[in-house]
Amino acid sequence: EAGVVQSPRYKIIEKKQPVAFWCNPISGHNTLYWYLQNLGQGPELLIRYENEEAVDDSQLPKDRFSAERLKGVDSTLKIQPAELGDSAVYLCASSLGTSGNTGELFFGEGSRLTVL
Amino acid sequence: GESVGLHLPTLSVQEGDNSIINCAYSNSASDYFIWYKQESGKGPQFIIDIRSNMDKRQGQRVTVLLNKTVKHLSLQIAATQPGDSAVYFCAENIGGYQKVTFGIGTKLQVIP
Repeated sequence: EAGVVQSPRYKIIEKKQPVAFWCNPISGHNTLYWYLQNLGQGPELLIRYENEEAVDDSQLPKDRFSAERLKGVDSTLKIQPAELGDSAVYLCASSLGTSGNTGELFFGEGSRLTVL
Repeated sequence: GESVGLHLPTLSVQEGDNSIINCAYSNSASDYFIWYKQESGKGPQFIIDIRSNMDKRQGQRVTVLLNKTVKHLSLQIAATQPGDSAVYFCAENIGGYQKVTFGIGTKLQVIP
């Protein structure tokens, strides 16, 4: 079974430039998460989707960050414009949701962003 | 706000010894407590979880203990192996795996 796929794995951009990250969750997983992870810290939730609906985006900086999950499968996270402080790893995770067997989150390998 | 945190940022253990990683939490409303392992350059990987109405759960070489009186969670790894070297995060979930909040993490170093 394929895991959560993220791209790109690495991205280096200059500040004020836009950037986008893509996530393909595990097939059949209704819940999709985007987390931000700074070096040496735990992941912090940015947004959570149930199918195509964003049910928790309270931690998403909406002035510059946006996300979408069209058709309830793949998702894209965008930053425009990027700032120096956005340098971090952006993790995507998926789960079966409340109807799942264990409820564990399955993470992708992450997209490491460096803003210069 | 309420959060999950860890006591020790780094733990070094000899190969073959048992490891104990501790975590303090403050949200009494959490339904589940979860341990994740994160190797360098990879995303976190689920290890084991425990419901709030339990005090102990065992997996393969791992045991999670929950003490709700003092709001303390621990992960015990038996016969620690070099492959166990990673950062371990405790996490809590409210509402049945809907919102998972992570702590800071403990780096486990296994000495051969």
